[in-house]
Amino acid sequence: NAGVTQTPKFRILKIGQSMTLQCAQDMNHNYMYWYRQDPGMGLKLIYYSVGAGITDKGEVPNGYNVSRSTTEDFPLRLELAAPSQTSVYFCASSYAEGGTNEKLFFGSGTQLSVL
Amino acid sequence: GEDVEQSLFLSVREGDSSVINCTYTDSSSTYLYWYKQEPGAGLQLLTYIFSNMDMKQDQRLTVLLNKKDKHLSLRIADTQTGDSAIYFCAEPMGPYTDKLIFGTGTRLQVFP
Repeated sequence: NAGVTQTPKFRILKIGQSMTLQCAQDMNHNYMYWYRQDPGMGLKLIYYSVGAGITDKGEVPNGYNVSRSTTEDFPLRLELAAPSQTSVYFCASSYAEGGTNEKLFFGSGTQLSVL
Repeated sequence: GEDVEQSLFLSVREGDSSVINCTYTDSSSTYLYWYKQEPGAGLQLLTYIFSNMDMKQDQRLTVLLNKKDKHLSLRIADTQTGDSAIYFCAEPMGPYTDKLIFGTGTRLQVFP
């Protein structure tokens, strides 16, 4: 099983550029998430999705967009990159029923620098 | 908003026990989790405890839960160099929700 696959692993952007971070899972999970990890700050939820066609904002959604056209894929879009978006981004997925959740599976992360 | 607090660093000698502490805020949390992040990798679920339990043991890992003080701890017995990683505690953002709030992470360094 590939699990949760993120691409790219590293990227450097100039201020104002745009890019899409890709995330795919092959576990038929209904829930998918995007987190960012800043040093000493833990993980912050950016966006999440409970199923294809459904997305919702997390704690820090500003400057990002997502889509969930299929169960497998959950890309994260940065339209106008800013230095404040320099971070490590993690995609995760889980299978949840009835709103409870036991286990998130994480990708290996994308390290993004905006200069 | 809720904050989950952890100390940032812990250094232990190989073979000793490690205790990583966490303070959470939402007393209605049904489950509490410990995740492990090895260098250059994503987080992996290490263990979890249901809120009606005080303790859970899983091989070298012991999770203790003090609901009165909202305190969660992870004890690793016979700590090995392979245990060096960042450990995150996490709680749900609210009752019956799938979204997690993560602590700041504790970096465990094991030296010989």
